[in-house]
Amino acid sequence: DIQMTQSPASLSASLGETVTIECLASEDIYSNLAWYQQKPGKSPQLLIYYANSLNDGVPSRFSGSGSGTQYSLKINSLQSEDVSIYFCQQNYDSPYTFGAGTKLELK
Amino acid sequence: QVQLQQSGAELAKPGSSVKISCKASGYTFTSYYISWIKQTTGQGLEYIGYINTGSGGTNYNEKFKGKATLTVDKSSSTAFMQLSSLTPDDSAVYYCARGTGYNPLAYWGQGTLVTVSS
Repeated sequence: DIQMTQSPASLSASLGETVTIECLASEDIYSNLAWYQQKPGKSPQLLIYYANSLNDGVPSRFSGSGSGTQYSLKINSLQSEDVSIYFCQQNYDSPYTFGAGTKLELK
Repeated sequence: QVQLQQSGAELAKPGSSVKISCKASGYTFTSYYISWIKQTTGQGLEYIGYINTGSGGTNYNEKFKGKATLTVDKSSSTAFMQLSSLTPDDSAVYYCARGTGYNPLAYWGQGTLVTVSS
């Protein structure tokens, strides 16, 4: 199975700040990488697919980048509603494994 | 609009089985696979497997072979996951989601809490 190492595990940032979350795959996943946001008590929601494509309705302050084994999610101008847990997932090879998640809080 | 409506919470005894349903609406059911995902506090998100809603073909994470059985009923646009020989380690929230590898999981059910306790 492809292992997804996500960092940091938790992150504290101020409103308006820019934050970056990283995901490292154990092998090349050829940009088959998705990012999800999960708020407490809710289902995960797709933010980014194919590493850098923004899902419909997702604010443009979210962006994804990366290739090969290294990927990142960037949130510009942090808003209060961005407080969530973020997960990456590789969808290159089954089982489509997830990162352990990053808990984003407000400072 | 696309919706995936899952069945309600289950309280089950060790050794028993449960069957969770995921009813799809708002799109052509057989045009997308359905994936199933397990979420626990300790283990995060684990990918269980997916089912081809047109053919009924399945693909399982090795870890869940023998534990989960995925089926579909095309007539009711519903996917099912049966979990067998339950242990406390199976206690989790289980999600269905539309898509799989080539179609990222853009739509998720609301989740079904399964609690295994004697």
